[in-house]
Amino acid sequence: DAKTTQPPSMDCAEGRAANLPCNHSTISGNEYVYWYRQIHSQGPQYIIHGLKNNETNEMASLIITEDRKSSTLILPHATLRDTAVYYCIVRSVTTSGTYKYIFGTGTRLKVLA
Amino acid sequence: DVKVTQSSRYLVKRTGEKVFLECVQDMDHENMFWYRQDPGLGLRLIYFSYDVKMKEKGDIPEGYSVSREKKERFSLILESASTNQTSMYLCASSSGQRGNQPQHFGDGTRLSIL
Repeated sequence: DAKTTQPPSMDCAEGRAANLPCNHSTISGNEYVYWYRQIHSQGPQYIIHGLKNNETNEMASLIITEDRKSSTLILPHATLRDTAVYYCIVRSVTTSGTYKYIFGTGTRLKVLA
Repeated sequence: DVKVTQSSRYLVKRTGEKVFLECVQDMDHENMFWYRQDPGLGLRLIYFSYDVKMKEKGDIPEGYSVSREKKERFSLILESASTNQTSMYLCASSSGQRGNQPQHFGDGTRLSIL
């Protein structure tokens, strides 16, 4: 199973872009990259996912390198409410053909006023 | 919005007890999952189910079992609770063929085994 590596913590000034990196050098060709975040005392919240193309939605942008060995989640204008733990996840396929998430240990992002 | 509801936010049980953690989702999702979350280890998959009465072992199934008698409900069972099962337990659900859509999580049950 492909694993992910993220920096344990990052700070970002309010209103600036937050760029959260993730390394997934052992990812295979059909495995998607997902990003979730977890605010204290809540369950993880889905943000965005992608396979090889860059993706954007109302919450964030996802940039995946051409070799797919790393990706970056971008929060374009971070607010205090974006303070959370961000998980980069590889979605892999089990032997029975079902999909499962492989979670890393996440990046604790603190947005500073 | 998808709602995944876990029956308890906090639970305290004693070693050797049989413990049931319940999870209900209201979006008719085919797939449901149980994870545990521990500091420094992230979320680890215990069991999942992609259909009623179907179940599949995740990465750490030892000491646990599950039950899915109805589509909306997925139960995690600790047959004989032990202190190393003290943890945060998270339930998730997703639509799509065998879990190919994003998972939606409940807010977790913090379980303490004394």
